[in-house]
Amino acid sequence: DIVLTQSPATLSVSPGERATLSCRASQSIRSNLAWYQQKPGQAPRLLIYGASTRETGIPARFSGSGSGTEFTLTISSLQSEDFAVYYCQKYDNGPPYIFGQGTKLEIK
Amino acid sequence: QVQLVQSGAEVKKPGSSVKVSCKASGDSFNTYTFTWVRQAPGQGLEWMGTIIPMFNNANYAQRFQDRVTLTADKSTNTAYLELISLRSEDTAMYYCAQKIFGGWFDPWGQGTLVTVSS
Repeated sequence: DIVLTQSPATLSVSPGERATLSCRASQSIRSNLAWYQQKPGQAPRLLIYGASTRETGIPARFSGSGSGTEFTLTISSLQSEDFAVYYCQKYDNGPPYIFGQGTKLEIK
Repeated sequence: QVQLVQSGAEVKKPGSSVKVSCKASGDSFNTYTFTWVRQAPGQGLEWMGTIIPMFNNANYAQRFQDRVTLTADKSTNTAYLELISLRSEDTAMYYCAQKIFGGWFDPWGQGTLVTVSS
């Protein structure tokens, strides 16, 4: 199975600054990658699909990029509500649908 | 957009089974595809399986293949996950979500906490 490796495990950033989260696939998944945000006690929320398409209602400060094996989620000008855990998920060629292990974005 | 409402928390004994429900709003149940994801305490997300009610077809993650059954009742717009032979390691939050055609998951149910303890 394809493995998704997210880095770093924890990222400390100050409000107003930019955060860059990475997701690396063990083999090419083209652009078949989604990003989710999960806050404590809540279900995950879809942010990005197709590696770079923002879901409806997601603020423009969230952007996704990459294809093949290297992907990035960038959050420009962090707001207090953005501190959460972020997961990437691959859906290339159907199941299994694999998640990365997550990156915790914390306030510096 | 469809809304997913899951059944309440469960406490089970080791060796028993649990059945979690996920009720979908809306009129297009036959077009939905449901996926189940679990999250152990303090851990990440793990895909368990996906079912297409229209075709009554399910795919399972290999590690759950022998213990999980996904079903759907079109008359009540409800999807179900049944997990048998429970062990303490199955203590987790179980989420249902709608799998969009492309393969991503949106929206998600609120989650059902299953606790396995003697």
